[in-house]
Amino acid sequence: SQELEQSPQSLIVQEGKNLTINCTSSKTLYGLYWYKQKYGEGLIFLMMLQKGGEEKSHEKITAKLDEKKQQSSLHITASQPSHAGIYLCGADIGGQAGTALIFGKGTTLSVSS
Amino acid sequence: GAVVSQHPSWVICKSGTSVKIECRSLDFQATTMFWYRQFPKQSLMLMATSNEGSKATYEQGVEKDKFLINHASLTLSTLTVTSAHPEDSSFYICSARDVGTGIMNTEAFFGQGTRLTVV
Repeated sequence: SQELEQSPQSLIVQEGKNLTINCTSSKTLYGLYWYKQKYGEGLIFLMMLQKGGEEKSHEKITAKLDEKKQQSSLHITASQPSHAGIYLCGADIGGQAGTALIFGKGTTLSVSS
Repeated sequence: GAVVSQHPSWVICKSGTSVKIECRSLDFQATTMFWYRQFPKQSLMLMATSNEGSKATYEQGVEKDKFLINHASLTLSTLTVTSAHPEDSSFYICSARDVGTGIMNTEAFFGQGTRLTVV
């Protein structure tokens, strides 16, 4: 069963619009990671969240982890064509150091100009 | 920052042959590395955990005799797809985490991925 639910599966937005991607787990997240990927390429690290209520921003991208540490959102402000790609949330759910991340199914973002 | 290098980035092989993919941690020692597989428009699925100096741990449903993993040094893990068939065509990507500091939640670094096409 999928332990990380990511929504929406795909998203098409007009350039300049804001958007939000969600990642939800039924288990406590010991660490939540957001990556961006272009199809067939490696992962680009965006942000890592660890503490309940934590929020981080980089340029026009903001990520939050809720207080219960079971849900995270990624928000892009004033989207640009360069934001297009696949966004993946990955998580530590084992609570042990150095374990593999599990991933959501990804959100494919298209930005129309 | 830490970098994980994966090679080759793409490979085409004939059905029945074997293909080796290398994953190197360039500036930290990785006692554990992870191999994922990604089908088109799907997420990364963990295949196995590669342990330096010991046997790899495979996820349920992954054939250990087909996907041979060797982690002979602290900076290199290899994945060999044996007797490859067209259904093995996929995107394979490795990952490593620097746990040398003892901090639990460290960034996971990913290789560039390998696009395998079996014809």
